[in-house]
Amino acid sequence: DTAVSQTPKYLVTQMGNDKSIKCEQNLGHDTMYWYKQDSKKFLKIMFSYNNKELIINETVPNRFSPKSPDKAHLNLHINSLELGDSAVYFCASSQDDKTQHFGDGTRLSIL
Amino acid sequence: GENVEQHPSTLSVQEGDSAVIKCTYSDSASNYFPWYKQELGKRPQLIIDIRSNVGEKKDQRIAVTLNKTAKHFSLHITETQPEDSAVYFCAASRGSQGNLIFGKGTKLSVKP
Repeated sequence: DTAVSQTPKYLVTQMGNDKSIKCEQNLGHDTMYWYKQDSKKFLKIMFSYNNKELIINETVPNRFSPKSPDKAHLNLHINSLELGDSAVYFCASSQDDKTQHFGDGTRLSIL
Repeated sequence: GENVEQHPSTLSVQEGDSAVIKCTYSDSASNYFPWYKQELGKRPQLIIDIRSNVGEKKDQRIAVTLNKTAKHFSLHITETQPEDSAVYFCAASRGSQGNLIFGKGTKLSVKP
């Protein structure tokens, strides 16, 4: 029973396309996150979101936008995909103690 | 904002030896310091964490130490095994007031 699940696991698409990655957590956590892990394995926070506040990392281009239909879901929409967007994107969730539980990642490849 | 530096970037040890990974942080308000292990192609998984009211924490072969005055914390793995080979990330946050900021990772290789 996966705690944090992301779909799809792999996403291959053309430059300029718009795509979405879905994330769901069944842990009852209040906060969800999106991270980007590039080819050098650097893990960078993109967004954190709970039902009160969206915190955006200022280095994230506005082509990236999180959408949360409810507390258990945080989807990532990406417009006008660029080559530099190729990376593994991880969703995570946490409760107040900040122990974060990660999903299995979505490997995005831009052709 | 918070900045976390992690060293070394790569570490190779013989099976049975100890491994130490060190991190420094810049924000004196940070109070939560987790360590994550990421095996190739897999997700990061929490292996141990420490909060600022504690100086040291141990879990079997893994220990973490924290020096708040110097703003650094370290991961110690004793009696290393080949299955300890992975990338290890340290992180720091202000708890409920901030996000986790990760170090750049240490690739640990344990040679049999």
